[in-house]
Amino acid sequence: EDQVTQSPEALRLQEGESSSLNCSYTVSGLRGLFWYRQDPGKGPEFLFTLYSAGEEKEKERLKATLTKKESFLHITAPKPEDSATYLCAVRDSNYQLIWGAGTKLIIKP
Amino acid sequence: NAGVTQTPKFQVLKTGQSMTLQCAQDMNHNSMYWYRQDPGMGLRLIYYSASEGTTDKGEVPNGYNVSRLNKREFSLRLESAAPSQTSVYFCASRGGWTGGESTEAFFGQGTRLTVV
Repeated sequence: EDQVTQSPEALRLQEGESSSLNCSYTVSGLRGLFWYRQDPGKGPEFLFTLYSAGEEKEKERLKATLTKKESFLHITAPKPEDSATYLCAVRDSNYQLIWGAGTKLIIKP
Repeated sequence: NAGVTQTPKFQVLKTGQSMTLQCAQDMNHNSMYWYRQDPGMGLRLIYYSASEGTTDKGEVPNGYNVSRLNKREFSLRLESAAPSQTSVYFCASRGGWTGGESTEAFFGQGTRLTVV
């Protein structure tokens, strides 16, 4: 069964303390892995798409990487405004999106 | 840029009542989706429409119906609301493929529905 698991469920960091969020997946025929950010009371907002193992993408303090079994979202020197829930989703061979439950990130000033 | 607009933003229903959630997108996207989001769970697909005139069931379609009214609008109807349908509902749209890559989905702000 296709599955996406995100860890940890929640992560509290001090401002400037770098860390990584994990998204592990089992899916037949990966057609893309997506990272989204979701602020409280709002819909998810697109961050990155990754397609093949070894691929990396960066945006400001965020860097997403992909292996054959998992993806990492690295956050370098985070600021309080990076606080949000980060969602991971994979597109399977039927082109359907399977979502993880998310990691709630809290950055304390 | 409006993007994806959902109405209403909040709704409280009594068990057995019916209602329609409205969704409209102004990005000329072919595909539209309805998801529900519950605490501790990933987004779950209720129904989707790959193009105007077509609709298909997702992972959790029971208790819901949809209508793709035109290319812009995709509505979700609860015929007889149940407490298990208390959730946050998101509409999303997606353009398709660009340069061999699947484009990302754009989401509305959500409808917070409580069934008592």
